[in-house]
Order: sequence, then structure tokens, then C-alpha cells
Amino acid sequence: QKEVEQNSGPLSVPEGAIASLNCTYSDRGSQSFFWYRQYSGKSPELIMSIYSNGDKEDGRFTAQLNKASQYVSLLIRDSQPSDSATYLCAVIVNSGGYQKVTFGTGTKLQVIP
Amino acid sequence: ETGVTQTPRHLVMGMTNKKSLKCEQHLGHNAMYWYKQSAKKPLELMFVYNFKEQTENNSVPSRFSPECPNSSHLFLHLHTLQPEDSALYLCASSQDGAGSRNSPLHFGNGTRLTVT
Repeated sequence: QKEVEQNSGPLSVPEGAIASLNCTYSDRGSQSFFWYRQYSGKSPELIMSIYSNGDKEDGRFTAQLNKASQYVSLLIRDSQPSDSATYLCAVIVNSGGYQKVTFGTGTKLQVIP
Repeated sequence: ETGVTQTPRHLVMGMTNKKSLKCEQHLGHNAMYWYKQSAKKPLELMFVYNFKEQTENNSVPSRFSPECPNSSHLFLHLHTLQPEDSALYLCASSQDGAGSRNSPLHFGNGTRLTVT
């Protein structure tokens, strides 16, 4: 089982719609979760972090965490063409007695004008 | 200049060549990382340095050799690489050591490596 799983997409949504990106993780003890955005040919940049169950909102972005279901999601409201990118889910997992950041494969989002 | 800077941006090398990738961070961070990003695969952690000391070598082949002379600079020395080593190599830094919940990763723009 992969430590962090994401649907690779592409996920296509029309401009103005809500984009929903999902991520599941295997380490039940994970406590910290991140969403990175990576434009084509660019490096990943952090857009959201979440540590507690529930929702965390930042502008058009909402991160949702459900530790019981080992599920974290990212909602993008009023999607814009500039949101088209690959979104990487990252989880701090315990590995060999220490913690490390583990990434999913990423979901490619396409916002259609 | 701010952030994390990597050079070169692109590198083409033969299997018998020796080359080095350079990374410099201007954020005052204490931890630096090398990641490999291949198509259709998740980011793979290669090496971690905390306060110049290597704290993780994620089963990386010896043809990749890291060097961290100080907290701001990180190198990845390459020799006798294989075509399957072609990938985007990303350097990152964070304020604290790997896994700190309050210390997200800041990435450089990466070096696109092609091994012929």
C-alpha cells in the first residue's frame, strides 16, 4: 500500500466551479498534512497546511482533514485557469523511528475557461 | 536574492561523465534536502541534512554523492549515472529538521537532468 495516494487525473473543471482534490494516507499516526501546488516546469510551493480534524479555509482554498478515515482534501472555490497545475498532497509519516515528509504522485487540475 | 536557488537548470550528461548540482538557500534554514521527481512517481526523498550533518540517506545508489559544506549550501555529485536517473532533481530547505510540523519545505526550481 502506498503511503500517500492521490488520483493522478487530470481533473477537469469549468471556470468558476469548485475543484475537489482528494488524498488518502496509510499511517494512522500522521499528524501533519500539506498541499503543494506545482505549475508545469516549476517547483512545488506550499499552499495549505492542516493539523486538526475539520476544515481550514484560506481565501478560495479549503483543506479538510478526517483522521478517522485517513483522508485529506483540498477544495478550490471559483476555480480560475491560473489554478491549473498539479497539486501534491504531503504527509508527515513515521518511518524507522523518525518522521519524514512523504508525497503523493499529485493530481493534475485543468480549469477550462 | 532570496529563496532556494539551484544550478544548473538543465544538464545533459553521458554515463561516464562526472557533474555536480548546486543548491543555495538564503532563508536562514537549518535543514536541506535533495528530492528526485520522475514522471508518474511521487517525489522521492534522497538525502537530508540537519545543521550540515547528514541525517538520512534514503537507500540512494552510491553514484549519487551529497555534500553539505554549511547550512546554506548543498551539492549533489553525480558519476557513472544511468539513463533511468534522468529526472528533475529538487533541492529544498526548511527551518527545522525533517518532519517538523511547523517547518514546511521551500523548494528550488530544480535541475532537469538527462543522462544519455
